[in-house]
This record gives sequence, C-alpha cells and structure tokens, in this order.
Amino acid sequence: AQSVAQPEDQVNVAEGNPLTVKCTYSVSGNPYLFWYVQYPNRGLQFLLKYITGDNLVKGSYGFEAEFNKSQTSFHLKKPSALVSDSALYFCAVAGFGNEKLTFGTGTRLTIIP
Amino acid sequence: DSGVTQTPKHLITATGQRVTLRCSPRSGDLSVYWYQQSLDQGLQFLIQYYNGEERAKGNILERFSAQQFPDLHSELNLSSLELGDSALYFCASSRGGSSSYEQYFGPGTRLTVT
Repeated sequence: AQSVAQPEDQVNVAEGNPLTVKCTYSVSGNPYLFWYVQYPNRGLQFLLKYITGDNLVKGSYGFEAEFNKSQTSFHLKKPSALVSDSALYFCAVAGFGNEKLTFGTGTRLTIIP
Repeated sequence: DSGVTQTPKHLITATGQRVTLRCSPRSGDLSVYWYQQSLDQGLQFLIQYYNGEERAKGNILERFSAQQFPDLHSELNLSSLELGDSALYFCASSRGGSSSYEQYFGPGTRLTVT
C-alpha cells in the first residue's frame, strides 16, 4: 500500500526567510509525487509534480521541490517566504499503474510578518 | 478558478436522507475524481471515472455511488446519511486516466447532516 507522511502539522516561518515543508512517501515502483495548496474555504490548487527527470522541480508561486529517491522524500521549498504563502499544504503520491492518489495529512504553514 | 464547478456549495440535510452532488470537469478533461475531506480522516479518495467508466475505487461506502455521464459531468449520490458523513466533498478532474496527470479541484460541497 502507498502512503505519505508529512511529519509536521504546523510550520512557522518569518517573512523573507526560506521555508521547507517536509514529505516522505512509500510506494511500489516509481512514484508520481505532487504538492497541492489549500486556502481557507477553497479547493486544493496544484503547485508542482515530479514524474521523471530532473530531481529539482519548479512550480507555481516560486515554489520548488526536490525528489530524493534514496530518502524517499519530496520536500517543498521556497527561498523567500511571503505572508500570502500561509495556507495548508498537501503532499500526494501515486504509483505507476495505480490510479489512486494518496494524500498526506497536510502541513499548516504560517508566515509571520 | 480551476475550471471545475461543483453544486451545491452547501447542503444541510437530516440523517437517513439522500443527496446528490454534482460536478462539471474542466473543458477537455476526461477523468473525474471524488474526495471526502473531514477533520478526523483528512482527504480521502472515493472514486474515479474516466470517460464514463469507473477507473479506480477508494474508501467509498456502499451507501455512496457515483456516475459519469456522456457529457462528462459526474454525480455523487449519498444515501442513508449519517452524522459522520458531514464533510467537504471535492471533485477534481484531469486530462487523462493516469495518476501522472495533475488534478484540478473544484471549490467543494460542504455537507452537514443533522
């Protein structure tokens, strides 16, 4: 069975500082990895994905994520946090040939002005 | 705006009742997914349809059913409702049937069962 772990329920970062939201996964075979963001009372918005290729993936709003196969991780990063980045972030994984996307429990990111 | 529409936005109903949630995917998308989001269980995948056919099934109760119509819109039917069914129900769509495609989520339907 595939699974995703987001070890931090809450991450607080000062505005302008770099941010990291952690994600580790477990899946059979090669993973498809995604990050989504959810603002209050809204649906999830796609940020970025890793399917194959370069381990560093760039996405929307200046976010990027690094795929690390040996550590089975896919951490979300941004060099300089904005207050508007405050939201709930979800990591998700699917395996090749498995149509189900499994989401983590989410990490609430708060950027402090 | 993701291009995925869901109706209604809010629904309040009593235990034992039946409701239907509706979803229209983005133009050109063939897959529709349904998810349930609750505080205690997080975001749970329910079911996927691709071009009218059921493609994958997740943690969907027998009291729940879904279908995708020829025009690709989808409906999620919830029956014999229980208090624990109160949640946000999201629909998402993607271009293809593979899980490698990113999904675009609608704004959700908030269901309250009293």
